[in-house]
Amino acid sequence: DADVTQTPRNRITKTGKRIMLECSQTKGHDRMYWYRQDPGLGLRLIYYSFDVKDINKGEISDGYSVSRQAQAKFSLSLESAIPNQTALYFCATSDFKEEKGKAFFGQGTRLTVV
Amino acid sequence: AQTVTQSQPEMSVQEAETVTLSCTYDTSESDYYLFWYKQPPSRQMILVIRQEAYKQQNATENRFSVNFQKAAKSFSLKISDSQLGDAAMYFCAYRGVIYNQGGKLIFGQGTELSVKP
Repeated sequence: DADVTQTPRNRITKTGKRIMLECSQTKGHDRMYWYRQDPGLGLRLIYYSFDVKDINKGEISDGYSVSRQAQAKFSLSLESAIPNQTALYFCATSDFKEEKGKAFFGQGTRLTVV
Repeated sequence: AQTVTQSQPEMSVQEAETVTLSCTYDTSESDYYLFWYKQPPSRQMILVIRQEAYKQQNATENRFSVNFQKAAKSFSLKISDSQLGDAAMYFCAYRGVIYNQGGKLIFGQGTELSVKP
């Protein structure tokens, strides 16, 4: 089983719909992240969380919200999806003290907003 | 704020040859991590190599090595004896070490590497 699991892997949704992307991890890491990948822009940080009670905005948080339901679960919501939110979304985890800065990524969610 | 720049959107290499992917970054910090990630068509993000800024010695992982020039803020990836399986998107990334930064990664734009048989 993967250390970081994202669901769904692919999703097509309509403009204006609410959608949630889910992420769960078995690493036991305290930190979790949501990134968005667009061609020519690389990956950009949407939100990150130190732990269940500590959530922080990243570079491009507008139009998104997150929930850290437990140490192992971190979900990303688009309250009203718009076409320019079509992108590849990654969840990642890390532990500050261990792994020398290494992040562990999920398999990605391809989201298309039509 | 830290930035990472990859100025080569696409690169091509002949199988068994050597290729170098460029990356520059900007930071005012003295200690940090630098990474190269590989993303094949499967979309998986695979860590290729990692460099700790306080280490002067360049990191090496089998056919992959880096040229870390701290003063120039340059971090290039060299792939030797290129194989068809090396074809992928490659991302350069920066991570600070200060606790309150949250361990977030700052990525470059990516370089698409193709390998010709």
